[in-house]
Amino acid sequence: DVKVTQSSRYLVKRTGEKVFLECVQDMDHENMFWYRQDPGLGLRLIYFSYDVKMKEKGDIPEGYSVSREKKERFSLILESASTNQTSMYLCASSFSGASNQPQHFGDGTRLSIL
Amino acid sequence: KQEVTQIPAALSVPEGENLVLNCSFTDSAIYNLQWFRQDPGKGLTSLLLIQSSQREQTSGRLNASLDKSSGRSTLYIAASQPGDSATYLCAVKENKLTFGGGTRVLVKP
Repeated sequence: DVKVTQSSRYLVKRTGEKVFLECVQDMDHENMFWYRQDPGLGLRLIYFSYDVKMKEKGDIPEGYSVSREKKERFSLILESASTNQTSMYLCASSFSGASNQPQHFGDGTRLSIL
Repeated sequence: KQEVTQIPAALSVPEGENLVLNCSFTDSAIYNLQWFRQDPGKGLTSLLLIQSSQREQTSGRLNASLDKSSGRSTLYIAASQPGDSATYLCAVKENKLTFGGGTRVLVKP
C-alpha cells in the first residue's frame, strides 16, 4: 500500500512566522504535489514536482515555496505566514508522468495562522 | 479552462438504497478521471480511476462510468451502508488534476 505521510495533523503558527510542512512517501514516486483545500473553493494546486530539485508552480503559488532535496520528501514553505493561509494542506504523490497512475494523498495538515 | 462540477452538493439516503453521484467537466481532452472519498478532517482516499479510453471501472460495490463526449462521469454505490457516509470528489487529469467541489453523502441507518 502507498503511504503518504504528512508530519503534522494540526499546526498553529503566528503571522509572520516561517512555516514548514513536510511530506514523505514510501513508494519511490517521482511526482509529488501540494494542495490546499478551503470550503467553497475545493482543492487547489499550489506546487508540484516531477523529480528531485525540480519544482513547478500550480494555480496558487503566491506566498509559498517548496523544496525537494530527496525523492521521497517534498516540503511546503510559507515564507511569512499570513491569516489567509489558514487552511487544510494536502500532499499527494504518483508515479512518473504516465497518465494512468492515480494520485495518493496524505491525511492532511490543518494549519491555523493566528 | 477546465471546470468540474458535482451536483448535488449534498445527498441523504436510507441505508440499502443505491447511491448515484454525478460529475461533469467542460473539456473532454482528459487523460483520466479519478474518484476519491474524503472523511471529515482527513485526506483523500482513491476509489477508482478511469482511463480516457475506458467506459467504466468496477471495484466491489462501486462502479464508475465515463462518457467523454458528454463530459460526464457517474459513481454508483450499490446497497449503501452508514459507513459510506463521506464526501466524494471527482477529479479529471489533463496536465494536472482539476477537482470538483464534492458531494457530501449521508447514509441513514
